[in-house]
Amino acid sequence: GEDVEQSLFLSVREGDSSVINCTYTDSSSTYLYWYKQEPGAGLQLLTYIFSNMDMKQDQRLTVLLNKKDKHLSLRIADTQTGDSAIYFCAEVASGNTGKLIFGQGTTLQVKP
Amino acid sequence: DGGITQSPKYLFRKEGQNVTLSCEQNLNHDAMYWYRQDPGQGLRLIYYSQIVNDFQKGDIAEGYSVSREKKESFPLTVTSAQKNPTAFYLCASSTSGIAEQFFGPGTRLTVL
Repeated sequence: GEDVEQSLFLSVREGDSSVINCTYTDSSSTYLYWYKQEPGAGLQLLTYIFSNMDMKQDQRLTVLLNKKDKHLSLRIADTQTGDSAIYFCAEVASGNTGKLIFGQGTTLQVKP
Repeated sequence: DGGITQSPKYLFRKEGQNVTLSCEQNLNHDAMYWYRQDPGQGLRLIYYSQIVNDFQKGDIAEGYSVSREKKESFPLTVTSAQKNPTAFYLCASSTSGIAEQFFGPGTRLTVL
């Protein structure tokens, strides 16, 4: 079945770059998403990439997509303490249902 | 302001009681979703609705029920048949079945 995998934890120093990785299984996914969740809050859509793109940049965020390896990454440049949160990647499930398949989430810890 | 609201933020329930979680959106979105989040896990889909008066079961529908009588409202009832209801519940909506989903702030349900 469809599955999305992420590493569970990443710790970086303030000012460094963070790279959060994700692998997915459904090669027919049209869109792939990155969401951010702060403690006790809902999910905030950060960015997304269409499956025919290799890269998308949005200010400090860079998304890289390797379709051959079904690998997605989110790079956060100049990471700040306010970036500390859980980051989820998600793919659109097959079939026109709008269902999203989420990874387990990567907890990003930014040390001052 | 357009958005998704969920109420209450915190909810306590005794074992054997049914409880209803509210989700309202004023984004004029057709599709709405309910997810459950447990610590260290991704989001799991409970129910979704792509149009008024129609809804489908997600991956973990047992012990839950929904209704979609109005476009802007998608309440979730957690019944006494749900064996382990303590969790964080998130509601989301989207313009269509393949568009990005926007999330509410969540309701934390605790069964005493």
